Amino acid sequence: AQSVTQLGSHVSVSEGALVLLRCNYSSSVPPYLFWYVQYPNQGLQLLLKYTSAATLVKGINGFEAEFKKSETSFHLTKPSAHMSDAAEYFCAVSDGGGFKTIFGAGTRLFVKA
Amino acid sequence: DVKVTQSSRYLVKRTGEKVFLECVQDMDHENMFWYRQDPGLGLRLIYFSYDVKMKEKGDIPEGYSVSREKKERFSLILESASTNQTSMYLCASARGQGEALSNQPQHFGDGTRLSIL
Repeated sequence: AQSVTQLGSHVSVSEGALVLLRCNYSSSVPPYLFWYVQYPNQGLQLLLKYTSAATLVKGINGFEAEFKKSETSFHLTKPSAHMSDAAEYFCAVSDGGGFKTIFGAGTRLFVKA
Repeated sequence: DVKVTQSSRYLVKRTGEKVFLECVQDMDHENMFWYRQDPGLGLRLIYFSYDVKMKEKGDIPEGYSVSREKKERFSLILESASTNQTSMYLCASARGQGEALSNQPQHFGDGTRLSIL
């Protein structure tokens, strides 16, 4: 069965600092992996997705994520945080076998001025 | 621009009421989803529909039903609302079938925050 673990329900960084949001997954087959962002009072928006074409995936707003099969990880990074990055971030996995996408519990990112 | 529209942003109902949450997408997607979002639990799938009048149960279907009479519209029904159904409800849509569905992102509405008193 698939599962997703996001380490840290809350992460706080200073503006201009590196953002690192951690995601580990479990899947019996090569997975498809996604990061979504949710701003207050909005639905989820796709940041980026991994579908096996390249292990380093670039997304919108300067975010990127690296797929590491040996570590079963798909951590999200951004070199320099901006105040507008404050939001909740969800990692998600699907395994190609059906309609289910499994979402992690979410990590809320706070950005300090 | 692609759009998924949920009919209400906020809704307050009483226990025992029958509640309808409506969702419309304008992308001609085959697939539509209803999720429930609770703090610390992420998104949990309630129901999925892959075609008109077709549906599959998700992880937490108890106390809910769905209706999809037209491709663009997917309704979630709380047959007899209870306080433990107070939550944020998110509708989503996606294109594709089988593996092609799995590698597609889902497009979400802005959510309906439902309170059951």
